[in-house]
Amino acid sequence: DQQVKQNSPSLSVQEGRISILNCDYTNSMFDYFLWYKKYPAEGPTFLISISSIKDKNEDGRFTVFLNKSAKHLSLHIVPSQPGDSAVYFCAASASGSARQLTFGSGTQLTVLP
Amino acid sequence: DAMVIQNPRYQVTQFGKPVTLSCSQTLNHNVMYWYQQKSSQAPKLLFHYYDKDFNNEADTPDNFQSRRPNTSFCFLDIRSPGLGDAAMYLCATSIGVGQETQYFGPGTRLLVL
Repeated sequence: DQQVKQNSPSLSVQEGRISILNCDYTNSMFDYFLWYKKYPAEGPTFLISISSIKDKNEDGRFTVFLNKSAKHLSLHIVPSQPGDSAVYFCAASASGSARQLTFGSGTQLTVLP
Repeated sequence: DAMVIQNPRYQVTQFGKPVTLSCSQTLNHNVMYWYQQKSSQAPKLLFHYYDKDFNNEADTPDNFQSRRPNTSFCFLDIRSPGLGDAAMYLCATSIGVGQETQYFGPGTRLLVL
């Protein structure tokens, strides 16, 4: 049972435009959410996180939105740059879950110059 | 720079021949994790150490073992690698307090011949 789902395996966006990556979850116990970026042959790099007490967190070009009632979060990248082309993973954890992160299957973002 | 280091980056072994992957960290984090990631899939947690306390995931095969001789180092031992164990192996660390971000190393890609 996939508790964290990224339904779009790929997304292409023009340079300078907004990229929106989506993630849905089913476990209502999740209270901390993270986005990671992964280049080929490298480990995931932490991008941004959000706690369930917030609905938005912003860091430069990256903004994460959390809609708890819909069990949905999204990552917005504005403006998108070619260097943002990578696989983006959404991850979630629950307090008292022995520190386990549950990952989505990832979305390949391609930013076209 | 504080970081998570994995050696080697690429490892080739033979079917059934034991192999050890290593991870070290300069972040002084209490928790170290090992994940397995196969192509186009989410990283799958194998086990983690909180300090010296070992926590195995229920579905991690017995073929996979881990050692953490000190805070900085953690090893993944695959006792008898099968073809299905070919994957990227990711090491991660976290502080060990509250809602946590995990920081990943670059990974070791294992090939089993």
